[in-house]
Amino acid sequence: DQQVKQNSPSLSVQEGRISILNCDYTNSMFDYFLWYKKYPAEGPTFLISISSIKDKNEDGRFTVFLNKSAKHLSLHIVPSQPGDSAVYFCAASDKSGAQKLVFGQGTRLTINP
Amino acid sequence: DVKVTQSSRYLVKRTGEKVFLECVQDMDHENMFWYRQDPGLGLRLIYFSYDVKMKEKGDIPEGYSVSREKKERFSLILESASTNQTSMYLCATLGQLFEAFFGQGTRLTVV
Repeated sequence: DQQVKQNSPSLSVQEGRISILNCDYTNSMFDYFLWYKKYPAEGPTFLISISSIKDKNEDGRFTVFLNKSAKHLSLHIVPSQPGDSAVYFCAASDKSGAQKLVFGQGTRLTINP
Repeated sequence: DVKVTQSSRYLVKRTGEKVFLECVQDMDHENMFWYRQDPGLGLRLIYFSYDVKMKEKGDIPEGYSVSREKKERFSLILESASTNQTSMYLCATLGQLFEAFFGQGTRLTVV
């Protein structure tokens, strides 16, 4: 029972273009969503988050969009840079319930020069 | 800066061995977690703890146990290691803004 799904295992984007990573969730109790970036042989690092009371949050080149009715969120990276090549994990939480994060399967993003 | 330190980067153990993975954090966070990462499966929660001596099962607790005797330390124990426990193990704490801080990971190989 995968409550958070990232259906694209991999994505390849040209340097300078926009990267769009997608995430779907099934649990309507989730009210907080986060994106993490992971390089090989390192732990994931926090990138950006969004509360369910918002539909957009922006931080520099990174923007997260939330569509609650569709139970869908996306991460936009623009412009994409070679250093953005990594695995990206979407995570969700029910902040009023058990304080734990549920992660998706991850999407490997490759930025081509 | 939050620091989450896992005792080993790489471990090779034999089938049937008892394995201890240690995690220490320096930010006085109450919530600590153990995940394993496998290709195509993402990060799956094994166990978590929200206080000293408290523990909760995650999604895949079978074959594992945990110990939290002190707030800063959360240990994952493989009672009798098996080859299907070969994986990347990640320890994490939860900050006030609900973001997780991860250790560098332990790549465990069971032979």
